[in-house]
Amino acid sequence: QVTLKESGPGILQPSQTLSLTCTFSGFSLSTYGMGVGWIRQPSGKGLEWLANIWWDDDKYYNPSLKNRLTISKDTSNNQAFLKITNVDTADTATYYCARIGTGSGDFDYWGQGVMVTVSS
Amino acid sequence: QIMLTQQAESLWISPGERVSITCRASQSLLYTDGKHYLSWYQQRPGQTTKALIYHASVRTDGVPTRFIGSGSGTEFTLSIEHVQPEDFAIYYCLQTLKSPLTFGSGTKLEIK
Repeated sequence: QVTLKESGPGILQPSQTLSLTCTFSGFSLSTYGMGVGWIRQPSGKGLEWLANIWWDDDKYYNPSLKNRLTISKDTSNNQAFLKITNVDTADTATYYCARIGTGSGDFDYWGQGVMVTVSS
Repeated sequence: QIMLTQQAESLWISPGERVSITCRASQSLLYTDGKHYLSWYQQRPGQTTKALIYHASVRTDGVPTRFIGSGSGTEFTLSIEHVQPEDFAIYYCLQTLKSPLTFGSGTKLEIK
C-alpha cells in the first residue's frame, strides 16, 4: 500500500526558508523509474507544480519560482524534501507530495497535504 | 510553457446524468511514443487527491468504469457516466509532456 505524508513548520515569517518533508511507504525512490513531486495549492485556488526528483537523482523545477527551490531525497529513510528560500505571503498554501507513476508519468498517489502560512 | 484551459469553472448536473469536462492544451500533448501525456485528478474536501486517468484515456487502477478519458492532440475530455453523489468534486487536468508541468484551472461539479 502506497502512502505519503507531508510535514512542515505550519507558520513562518517572510524571508525565512520553508523546509518540507515527505515521508512515504509502499515504494522506494531507489527503484528504477520512480519519482516524487511537490505541488502546492493556495486556499480556494488551483494546483501549481513545483518540482520533481527521480530515482537517479535527476531533478526538475518550476522556473516561475526563480531558483528558490531545492528538492532532495533520503532513499534509506524513504523521504523526499523541498526547500523554498525567501518566502513571502504568496507562498501561503497547502503543499502536497505525490508519487510519480512508473511508465505513466502522472502523480498516481498523493499525500493529504500540509498547510503552510507565511505571515509577519 | 504549455497552457491548459478548462473553460468551465463549474458544471451543474443531477445525479445519474452524464457530464463531460474539457481540457484544451496550447500545443499537442502527443509524444514520440504515441502516448498523450495528459492526466486527470479528482479533489474532494477532506480526501486525498485522486488520480483518475493517465495517457489521456487509461484508467488508474481501482477507478470506476464510469470515468472515461478521451481526446488527442490538444483537446481532451473527461466524461462521467451516471454521476454518483461522491463524484461531486473538483477535477483538474495535468500535462506531463514538458517541464514545467502545468495544471488546468479546475472544473467544479455541482449538484443541480
